[in-house]
Amino acid sequence: NAGVMQNPRHLVRRRGQEARLRCSPMKGHSHVYWYRQLPEEGLKFMVYLQKENIIDESGMPKERFSAEFPKEGPSILRIQQVVRGDSAAYFCASSPPGNHEQYFGPGTRLTVT
Amino acid sequence: KQEVTQIPAALSVPEGENLVLNCSFTDSAIYNLQWFRQDPGKGLTSLLLIQSSQREQTSGRLNASLDKSSGRSTLYIAASQPGDSATYLCAGLSGSARQLTFGSGTQLTVLP
Repeated sequence: NAGVMQNPRHLVRRRGQEARLRCSPMKGHSHVYWYRQLPEEGLKFMVYLQKENIIDESGMPKERFSAEFPKEGPSILRIQQVVRGDSAAYFCASSPPGNHEQYFGPGTRLTVT
Repeated sequence: KQEVTQIPAALSVPEGENLVLNCSFTDSAIYNLQWFRQDPGKGLTSLLLIQSSQREQTSGRLNASLDKSSGRSTLYIAASQPGDSATYLCAGLSGSARQLTFGSGTQLTVLP
């Protein structure tokens, strides 16, 4: 059973470009979470999704950030018009129905130049 | 709002020592508490999860305890090894939001 997969592992974008981060949960997991780890800071919750639904987006910046978890395919975290302050490691986690233990992917390290 | 604090921020010990990492949380209505390990530039590896109804969990040389009344959890590492060097994070899950609130971590170095 493959773990949580994220791609790309490293992403470089210039200011103003769009960044798309992908997360494939573990098999059988229907809950996906995104967290961000800024340099020299702890991990912060961003958004919690189930298939086709955003359950809690209280940690998402109000502008430029969006997330989806379609019926088919991976979850996508999209950052429009990136700025240098978006440079961070973005982690995805998943959990199965009825179980709160979260399993983390290897992360995507975004660098904005 | 849940807040999680970890002390110390960094710890250096000689190989073979037993050690304790501390984690405190403000919201006692915690659903569970997880301990993770993070190696530099890498993702998070789940070490132990303690449900709110449990007092402790053990896995190999690791033992984690949870005291909801005092808002504390500890991670005990027995007979430490250089391979244990990493940052250890605790995270609490509260309420129905299913979001983990992380501490800032303890950076552990085990000297050979």
